[in-house]
Amino acid sequence: QVQLQESGPGLLKPSETLSLTCAVSGYSITSGFFWGWIRQSPGKGLEWIGSMHGSGSTYYNPSLKSRLTMSKDTSKNQFSLKLSSVTAADTAVYFCASSLSSPETETFDFWGQGTLVTVSS
Amino acid sequence: AIQLTQSPSSLSASVGDRVIITCRASQDINSALGWYRQKPGKGPELLIYDAASLEGGVPSRVSGSGSGTDFTLTISSLQPEDFAVYYCQQFKSYPLTFGGGTKVEIK
Repeated sequence: QVQLQESGPGLLKPSETLSLTCAVSGYSITSGFFWGWIRQSPGKGLEWIGSMHGSGSTYYNPSLKSRLTMSKDTSKNQFSLKLSSVTAADTAVYFCASSLSSPETETFDFWGQGTLVTVSS
Repeated sequence: AIQLTQSPSSLSASVGDRVIITCRASQDINSALGWYRQKPGKGPELLIYDAASLEGGVPSRVSGSGSGTDFTLTISSLQPEDFAVYYCQQFKSYPLTFGGGTKVEIK
């Protein structure tokens, strides 16, 4: 069974950099599938942040691209997100997720529990 | 970016009711659509992928249909665990986008 677990600081000040890590068990992140980040602002809907293919290719939401970097650590089987210059608008629950149904399908079938990140001075 | 419009935004229904939620895409996305259910305080759960394929472990009372720009999620007989928020998501092109959600409440 695939399991994903987010970790990172829960409280940031404006202008700081958000760093989150998703530890994956039960499947290799170097496989030919997608690994993604999605966030949900309090009481709001879902927003795709970006995805990383097992090959290392990355795909970012244009609305965040200038501040976003995704990377992976294959030795630890985990992938990470860095979002710079955060503001209160970045306050959200951040989920990591995987898309393992097929190489051509990018719907997320396994999700982490989510981690709340609050940006406040 | 492809916009997804869900309707209704909320509905009230009773256990045993048939519920239909629609998702309309701003352009042709073929069958590149998934549906999720999200319960309070939890992450989304994939129900349907490729517009009509049932994810493993999801009960057969849940079904999806459609292609192109118009899609539906049907729950044939609503159960207590189905009271939640439902989202559609397209993967035809980046950025991936989600619909605004449909909240299914108990009547």
